[in-house]
Amino acid sequence: AQSVTQLGSHVSVSEGALVLLRCNYSSSVPPYLFWYVQYPNQGLQLLLKYTSAATLVKGINGFEAEFKKSETSFHLTKPSAHMSDAAEYFCALYGQNFVFGPGTRLSVLP
Amino acid sequence: NAGVTQTPKFQVLKTGQSMTLQCAQDMNHEYMSWYRQDPGMGLRLIHYSVGAGITDQGEVPNGYNVSRSTTEDFPLRLLSAAPSQTSVYFCASRSGGADSTDTQYFGPGTRLTVL
Repeated sequence: AQSVTQLGSHVSVSEGALVLLRCNYSSSVPPYLFWYVQYPNQGLQLLLKYTSAATLVKGINGFEAEFKKSETSFHLTKPSAHMSDAAEYFCALYGQNFVFGPGTRLSVLP
Repeated sequence: NAGVTQTPKFQVLKTGQSMTLQCAQDMNHEYMSWYRQDPGMGLRLIHYSVGAGITDQGEVPNGYNVSRSTTEDFPLRLLSAAPSQTSVYFCASRSGGADSTDTQYFGPGTRLTVL
């Protein structure tokens, strides 16, 4: 069975602070992993994806994620939060089909 | 290039009514899928299609039907709506077959309320 967990349904950071959104997965086969962002009343937009190449993946808007097989993790980071980063973030795993985590809502405080 | 489009954006139904959520893509993608999004549960796959004439069930298919007569369109039908089907529905498409990890593109969503 495949599953994705995201620690923290809501994360708040100050503008300019480090953003860290956690994702752990369970998969019986080597996984492909994704981070999506959803702005209010919009569909999901791909931030970045890991497909077994480099373990450190850089995405759009300054985000990056590191695949750590030993920890079954794929945490999303950004060195300095911006107000425009406020959104909901979903980690997803691809096996036969996509499995999404429950999401983490990121708030950025001025 | 409009990407993935969904209609309607909002819909209110009474229990027992039927309706079809429309989804279309103009990127010539083989793979299309429907998800529902509920608070605290992320997106869950309802049905998917790997090409015209081919559909299959996802994680939560009960109460929903789909068909894929053309590459562009992938409608989702609710035959007898229930309050448990109140949700936001997203259609998505990507290129490649079932094993592809190409980027999935999402539509803007349909917010459905069943009273």
